[in-house]
Amino acid sequence: EVQLVESGGGLVRPGGSLRISCAASGFTFSGYSMNWVRQAPGKGLEWVSTVSSSGGFKYYADSVKGRFTISRDNAKNSLYLQMNSLRAEDTAVYYCAREADRGFGEYTPYFFDYWGQGARVTVSS
Amino acid sequence: SYVLTQPPSVSVAPGQTASITCGGNNIGSLHVHWYQQKPGQAPVVVVYDDSDRPSGIPERFSGTNSGNTATLTIRRVEAGDEADYYCQVWDNSSEDWVFGGGTKLTVL
Repeated sequence: EVQLVESGGGLVRPGGSLRISCAASGFTFSGYSMNWVRQAPGKGLEWVSTVSSSGGFKYYADSVKGRFTISRDNAKNSLYLQMNSLRAEDTAVYYCAREADRGFGEYTPYFFDYWGQGARVTVSS
Repeated sequence: SYVLTQPPSVSVAPGQTASITCGGNNIGSLHVHWYQQKPGQAPVVVVYDDSDRPSGIPERFSGTNSGNTATLTIRRVEAGDEADYYCQVWDNSSEDWVFGGGTKLTVL
């Protein structure tokens, strides 16, 4: 059974840093691209970042570019999001999501087939 | 950047058909995916690549995509279909994933 479990959320001051993690199990982690998607309270879904299966391709939303860094450790079946210079508007539930595999290319965009339950991040003084 | 436009809300009586639209410039040339999100839960894909259905999703859910509009159609709507629905595309020009603003489906 595919499982994605986020951890590391919490309360952080504006300007502070936080790293959230996603532990994957039930599938060959190194074979899939992974994503972070966030949802501010009462708002819609916002894509944050994508990393390809080997880590060779990384993509970021303009709203986080230069402040957030996505990474993965395939040996540990784990996905990370390092968040620096946090702002109030970064307050959200952060979901880890696996991207289905089209079967060709290092990164070929496809739908998100499994999601974690989310990690809550609150940026407030 | 690419923009996807969804109606904020759609209401339908049980047993009827709900149509949720997702507008975007020449969206018919892109692959559109649809997600259902119930309160307090993570999203679940209900249609991918415009009209394909993952295993476990009822045949009542279907999708089309042409021109500037993609549509998610839910036939014989049930109370359990009440949720927020989001469309999603990959914007090749900016190399971004884009979500629509979401549509709240209310079953009357």
